[in-house]
Amino acid sequence: DVKVTQSSRYLVKRTGEKVFLECVQDMDHENMFWYRQDPGLGLRLIYFSYDVKMKEKGDIPEGYSVSREKKERFSLILESASTNQTSMYLCAGGEGRTGELFFGEGSRLTVL
Amino acid sequence: AQSVTQLGSHVSVSEGALVLLRCNYSSSVPPYLFWYVQYPNQGLQLLLKYTSAATLVKGINGFEAEFKKSETSFHLTKPSAHMSDAAEYFCAVNKGGGYSTLTFGKGTMLLVSP
Repeated sequence: DVKVTQSSRYLVKRTGEKVFLECVQDMDHENMFWYRQDPGLGLRLIYFSYDVKMKEKGDIPEGYSVSREKKERFSLILESASTNQTSMYLCAGGEGRTGELFFGEGSRLTVL
Repeated sequence: AQSVTQLGSHVSVSEGALVLLRCNYSSSVPPYLFWYVQYPNQGLQLLLKYTSAATLVKGINGFEAEFKKSETSFHLTKPSAHMSDAAEYFCAVNKGGGYSTLTFGKGTMLLVSP
């Protein structure tokens, strides 16, 4: 059974803290993605990666960075967390031909 | 550019009634289309997908969707709603190939009453 694992389901951080959200996939997919999900706005793409050490900006990259040192791991970094980054963050691995995504359980981040 | 419109942020049905969730897309090329379901505090799970084979696609939990190119639609249906179907549903489109990414609709919350 394919699996995408996000290291933290719930996090509470303070404004200005550096936050790491970790994601690991066991599907051997080249493609990995980070989305944020907010009520009424659906899913918005933050960053994605098609290969190790490679990254591409999505629709809302401001305030975020990513790291992909190994094929199976894709990390989202908030350099200095702000309250408007309180959200649900979803990581996904992707199938290249059709774009089908396989999602993790999500990480709900609250920034106080 | 590709886009997805889901008509209705909330849809309410009675248990046993027909479920119809609407999705219209725009894409410059024949697309790949997906429906995902999300239960509270969980990630998204694939319900079904259209990848240019049969236009009527059957998915899990009794759901199906029909690709209609002339109407640029991919509506999701289920003949008889169950309480366990209450969740949020997302339609997504991808034109495929290269570095393309999925574009999601804003979601439709399905409410099922006894």
